[in-house]
Amino acid sequence: GAVVSQHPSWVICKSGTSVKIECRSLDFQATTMFWYRQFPKQSLMLMATSNEGSKATYEQGVEKDKFLINHASLTLSTLTVTSAHPEDSSFYICSARDRVYYEQYFGPGTRLTVT
Amino acid sequence: AQSVTQLDSQVPVFEEAPVELRCNYSSSVSVYLFWYVQYPNQGLQLLLKYLSGSTLVESINGFEAEFNKSQTSFHLRKPSVHISDTAEYFCAVSLNTGGFKTIFGAGTRLFVKA
Repeated sequence: GAVVSQHPSWVICKSGTSVKIECRSLDFQATTMFWYRQFPKQSLMLMATSNEGSKATYEQGVEKDKFLINHASLTLSTLTVTSAHPEDSSFYICSARDRVYYEQYFGPGTRLTVT
Repeated sequence: AQSVTQLDSQVPVFEEAPVELRCNYSSSVSVYLFWYVQYPNQGLQLLLKYLSGSTLVESINGFEAEFNKSQTSFHLRKPSVHISDTAEYFCAVSLNTGGFKTIFGAGTRLFVKA
């Protein structure tokens, strides 16, 4: 089946630094990728939708200048958390939609801890 | 606006008992429906989906869900649960338009007891 990878799986950074998370579709081309945030024991909240070669569309309440999303190719999207603060600590999950079958596949997630 | 409601935040059940996890949605456009399972500290795994056709869909591990358009529901059922089914279950709808944005319910924690 289709596989989506995320790197890193776990990252710890100091407050004020920036962190980049990569999301790759390994065996299919993804026209659209989604970024979600999940707090402990809570559901996934959609942060933004990105289409290859276009600017990302952010959900209401998500700071686009803080969460920079780049979807440079049909297999790679990156989320950069800029000037991270402890409240940005969370589980970030990406998903990719197959261009042909329109199914959505999820990555394993990245746990970000900001100290 | 679209929304997904999972009526139970936690469902404790004994092993080998049947279980139903409830999901209702609201949408002004047609949707695709999904159930995902998440084990601790892991990502989401697709359990089953309804895109079109038969309203009853099944997974390989014994779960089934039925799409009921009139009641806007997509409840998940299993006739006999195992300890290993203990996990968080999320109902989700993907809008059948443009960006196919997926919206998740709050999740239901299924806890299977011996």
